[in-house]
Formats: sequence, structure tokens, C-alpha cells
Amino acid sequence: DSGVTQTPKHLITATGQRVTLRCSPRSGDLSVYWYQQSLDQGLQFLIQYYNGEERAKGNILERFSAQQFPDLHSELNLSSLELGDSALYFCASSVAGTGNEQYFGPGTRLTVT
Amino acid sequence: QKEVEQDPGPLSVPEGAIVSLNCTYSNSAFQYFMWYRQYSRKGPELLMYTYSSGNKEDGRFTAQVDKSSKYISLFIRDSQPSDSATYLCAMSAGAGTALIFGKGTTLSVSS
Repeated sequence: DSGVTQTPKHLITATGQRVTLRCSPRSGDLSVYWYQQSLDQGLQFLIQYYNGEERAKGNILERFSAQQFPDLHSELNLSSLELGDSALYFCASSVAGTGNEQYFGPGTRLTVT
Repeated sequence: QKEVEQDPGPLSVPEGAIVSLNCTYSNSAFQYFMWYRQYSRKGPELLMYTYSSGNKEDGRFTAQVDKSSKYISLFIRDSQPSDSATYLCAMSAGAGTALIFGKGTTLSVSS
């Protein structure tokens, strides 16, 4: 158990809908990262938050957004869903400092039908 | 050329074998190197973490980084059926930055 929690475990929804994925980082970790894992693209970085502020963006679509709340949990919002958005979505957390060890949650499996 | 290249396998070995997994990369700015193990559809689990060049050993696992060749390796000694999983290499240029992943190598250890 990495200490990172994600809910829900599974989501099945229809095209055009909007969903929210939730992540709670390990106790004391200030950084939260969101990654998408699909069969053809592998694990791809989406977005990073540090202590409530957006720090970096990766291959995140404009239909996707995220935020980190004062209690450090984070939410990833996916809207106008398309079939191609079906994937595993992971969040990871890390402590601030000089290292870069990132600990991953169990993921949310999103299926868009 | 992808930033991180990793042979997807699959790699099949008998129990007790020594396994060698490798990644090459193109970005000379990478300083942080990690290996993750991922069981089917589960979250990646951090196995080994190395900063800059050198070797690191943890039990049956040894990670090596050769920055001059832009090549990293993970060795698994006395492999067990429970080691059957996908192994992902990951790396980044700076502390607290996003990881760039290889596509993963699928390993199967038969008893």
C-alpha cells in the first residue's frame, strides 16, 4: 500500500458526459501528479500540482482540468468524454525537496461507452 | 525518436534465473532514474530509485545507470513467479518534476 488513495476504482460512463476523479496523497506529500495509462501510449503525464498551485502541464487535453484543495487532495475533471478517453488514470504524490520518488495510487479505470 | 525506449518483451524465464531489463534514453538532462513494477491493472509500485550514475542494490534487485551511454538496467536475481509483472523504467530531469516512462517490459517467471 503506497498510502495514496484514489476513488472511484471504476467508472463507466457515456460519451459527452463529465466525470470527476479524486486523489488523496500520502501524508505530508505536497506534490500531486496525474498520469493517464492507455494500451497504445503507456503512462503519460497530464498535470502536476504543488501545495495548491498548478506547477506543470503535460499532454492534458483542454477538456480536462484539475485542482488541488487546501487539504492537499486533488481532483481531475474530464468533460465531453470521448471513447478515446477510456484509460487508467493514476495519481502519484511526492514530498517536496531534492528527490523525485513518486508513489502511485491504485488508479481509476474509466470506460467511456 | 522517443525520449525513453524500452523493449516490451514479453520476457519468459524459469524460476531462479537472473533477469536483465533495460532502457535507453535520449535526453542527457535526465538525472533521476526509477524502476516501477506494475501488476495487471494495478498502480505502479516503486522498486528502485537512483540519482545520477552508479549502482544501487536492494535485496534481489540491482539498478544500474550509465549516463555516458544513456542506458539504465534492472537486474533481478533468483527470480520468482511472484516477480511476473510489467516493469517500467521512468526518469526525469529535475527534482519534483514529472516522470517520463518507458512503455514497460512484461516479465513472466515460470515455476
